[in-house]
Amino acid sequence: DADVTQTPRNRITKTGKRIMLECSQTKGHDRMYWYRQDPGLGLRLIYYSFDVKDINKGEISDGYSVSRQAQAKFSLSLESAIPNQTALYFCATSDATGGGAYEQYFGPGTRLTVT
Amino acid sequence: AQSVTQLDSHVSVSEGTPVLLRCNYSSSYSPSLFWYVQHPNKGLQLLLKYTSAATLVKGINGFEAEFKKSETSFHLTKPSAHMSDAAEYFCVVSERTGNTGKLIFGQGTTLQVKP
Repeated sequence: DADVTQTPRNRITKTGKRIMLECSQTKGHDRMYWYRQDPGLGLRLIYYSFDVKDINKGEISDGYSVSRQAQAKFSLSLESAIPNQTALYFCATSDATGGGAYEQYFGPGTRLTVT
Repeated sequence: AQSVTQLDSHVSVSEGTPVLLRCNYSSSYSPSLFWYVQHPNKGLQLLLKYTSAATLVKGINGFEAEFKKSETSFHLTKPSAHMSDAAEYFCVVSERTGNTGKLIFGQGTTLQVKP
């Protein structure tokens, strides 16, 4: 079984709809992250969480919200989807050890299309 | 602030020839650096990481990278390309200030391998 799972894998929605993307992990990591990927821009950080009570905005948090329901679950919501939120979304986890390297482990991604 | 620049958006090689993907970074601190690979319709997989130990880092699938502080570079190489190496590659620096563990991604390099 995959260590980091994302649901759904693909989603098409209409402008103005609310949508939630879910992420679960079995790695036992405290830190979880949400990114979006757009062609030619690499991955950009939306939100990150160090534990259930610690949630922080990334560089592109406008239009998004998150919920850390448990150590293993971190959800991303689009309250009112718009077409420029069409992208590939990744969840990732890391722990705070590893010599400070903070390497992250990624889920398979959710492809979201907003029409 | 840290940043990463991948010098080529697209690299094309023939199978069996060497691969060179170039990356320059900017960091006020001793950085942690990574290369991730993304195969089509897949998540991101860690190829290798540099964490201030040996400057020549060996990764999976025959890839390696050399950290050169004087040139602020972390280029990825492989002696002989295989068809399965065709993918997108990301050079990444870990933001070590404040112990956030945030990753900053380059724009990505698409590697094409021709038969």
